[in-house]
Amino acid sequence: GAVVSQHPSRVICKSGTSVKIECRSLDFQATTMFWYRQFPKQSLMLMATSNEGSKATYEQGVEKDKFLINHASLTLSTLTVTSAHPEDSSFYICSARDAQGHTEAFFGQGTRLTVV
Amino acid sequence: GQNIDQPTEMTATEGAIVQINCTYQTSGFNGLFWYQQHAGEAPTFLSYNVLDGLEEKGRFSSFLSRSKGYSYLLLKELQMKDSASYLCAVLDSNYQLIWGAGTKLIIKP
Repeated sequence: GAVVSQHPSRVICKSGTSVKIECRSLDFQATTMFWYRQFPKQSLMLMATSNEGSKATYEQGVEKDKFLINHASLTLSTLTVTSAHPEDSSFYICSARDAQGHTEAFFGQGTRLTVV
Repeated sequence: GQNIDQPTEMTATEGAIVQINCTYQTSGFNGLFWYQQHAGEAPTFLSYNVLDGLEEKGRFSSFLSRSKGYSYLLLKELQMKDSASYLCAVLDSNYQLIWGAGTKLIIKP
């Protein structure tokens, strides 16, 4: 399958600071990227969908000013958690769908964010 | 509303067979996925069904009945490394993935 690389895999930050998470498609062009959050023992929760070159579509209840998403190229999307708080501590996962519209979504390795 | 149901947890014995069921009610249907997720890791793709019937891939098989809104994942010759959560997800009419809560599979020696 195709490869999606997510970085960093783990990050610890102080409350009030911002953290940027990168998601790259390494061997295909990702027209659509998805950002998920997963709390322990819970399912994936879609935060937002981003299409290359346009604004992200956020799910209900997700603050777009707090979770900034940029999808500037066909191989890179970034999620910035601004003014992080301890309750933002979670596992963040990106996935990407290729330009051919294949319905299988390829996942990054995930980022474990801990806000202290 | 959209809903996907699967058991929270199952236990099976190494070398045995286990079937994980998934029922769904979604606005439209463009396929059903099964993913495996080990603790602390991202999901990995196992299977995709869009037509009724059984798809076999090595030790894993996935079945779909669209009329019943039902799927199952069958794991044969269980190995300890199969201990993981198994996530059922349906692609709805808007091509959005709707996720089940996952089934935690515990394999005992």
